[in-house]
Amino acid sequence: AQSVTQLDSQVPVFEEAPVELRCNYSSSVSVYLFWYVQYPNQGLQLLLKYLSGSTLVKGINGFEAEFNKSQTSFHLRKPSVHISDTAEYFCAVSESPGAGSYQLTFGKGTKLSVIP
Amino acid sequence: SAVISQKPSRDICQRGTSLTIQCQVDSQVTMMFWYRQQPGQSLTLIATANQGSEATYESGFVIDKFPISRPNLTFSTLTVSNMSPEDSSIYLCSARTSGSWEQYFGPGTRLTVT
Repeated sequence: AQSVTQLDSQVPVFEEAPVELRCNYSSSVSVYLFWYVQYPNQGLQLLLKYLSGSTLVKGINGFEAEFNKSQTSFHLRKPSVHISDTAEYFCAVSESPGAGSYQLTFGKGTKLSVIP
Repeated sequence: SAVISQKPSRDICQRGTSLTIQCQVDSQVTMMFWYRQQPGQSLTLIATANQGSEATYESGFVIDKFPISRPNLTFSTLTVSNMSPEDSSIYLCSARTSGSWEQYFGPGTRLTVT
């Protein structure tokens, strides 16, 4: 079985400062990794995904994440945050094809608050 | 990509009643899923809605409590039956298109049971 741990439940950061949201996963098979963002009263939107290839993945809204297999991590980063980035961010893992189901397992989420 | 809509967006229901949530996708999709997001919690998969066959439920969720229909490749419903206050949650529908590992999510249905 797979699991996802988001180490910080809340992250306050000043506008234009950099931010890192941490995510660690556990799985006995190869995985695909995802970051989703949920704005207040909205559904989830995919920020970026790692399926294979380069371990540095760039997504929308200036976010990027780095897959580190040895540390089983997939931390999300942005060099300069905006007020509009205030939202909840979810890390998710799925077993890769042939290794299991298509089920997404989500972390508990990290609430990013950008302070003016 | 796929755009997903859900109805209703929110509802307040009385204990013991049932609510059916509708999920509509703007294109044909291979797989549809229903998730529950309890207050302050992450998303938990309830079931995978299979077109033309019974839904596949995750551990802890049963068909009698959460009956699901999927009559075609663009539509699904989730019913929350015999509701109790513990069923107060956001229910989200998602879909995955053939050949893609991305899941698209609807805006959710915010359910409050009193």
